[in-house]
Amino acid sequence: AQTVTQSQPEMSVQEAETVTLSCTYDTSESNYYLFWYKQPPSRQMILVIRQEAYKQQNATENRFSVNFQKAAKSFSLKISDSQLGDTAMYFCAFMKLTSGNTPLVFGKGTRLSVIA
Amino acid sequence: SQTIHQWPATLVQPVGSPLSLECTVEGTSNPNLYWYRQAAGRGLQLLFYSVGIGQISSEVPQNLSASRPQDRQFILSSKKLLLSDSSFYLCAWSAKTGQGPYEQYFGPGTRLTVT
Repeated sequence: AQTVTQSQPEMSVQEAETVTLSCTYDTSESNYYLFWYKQPPSRQMILVIRQEAYKQQNATENRFSVNFQKAAKSFSLKISDSQLGDTAMYFCAFMKLTSGNTPLVFGKGTRLSVIA
Repeated sequence: SQTIHQWPATLVQPVGSPLSLECTVEGTSNPNLYWYRQAAGRGLQLLFYSVGIGQISSEVPQNLSASRPQDRQFILSSKKLLLSDSSFYLCAWSAKTGQGPYEQYFGPGTRLTVT
């Protein structure tokens, strides 16, 4: 079974600064996807970024980028120019690609606070 | 574009009463559907998933059940609620493998309080 570990329960960052959230995973699969989801106080889960395991290039979405280290099974999220609206819980998630269903395996989350 | 709805948004029910939470998806067909539960300040726990009408897989045996009477409708039910069922319930959908994209999209959630 796959597991996802987020070792930082809480983090804080000054507005406009850069912060990196850590995520490691354990799997024997070779074909999978990784995701970062954001959950603000409204509790709506919002997809931030995704990474296909077969791609060596790290995914980027505006101020959000990842550092995907497949051999190390590491998938960190970097938030640049942090904004107050980035305050949220951030969840790392793993999905293996099969011929059937695609359930996500989530980490326990990191609570990020952006301070003015 | 695709949209996912959940209702009700908030629900307060007495112990022992029945439960029915509904989730519907618009703008796509034959999606995979999921029910998650999230305790306050915690991660998500997958409860049920469905790959088609009438096809339900349970991840955690408990007081809850799920049904998929229509292609884009997913229902979470209980015959008798327990205090421990108080939680935040999220529905999600994803495309089938081979159709992409593979991320899951979540509804706004239902906050259930059992008193």
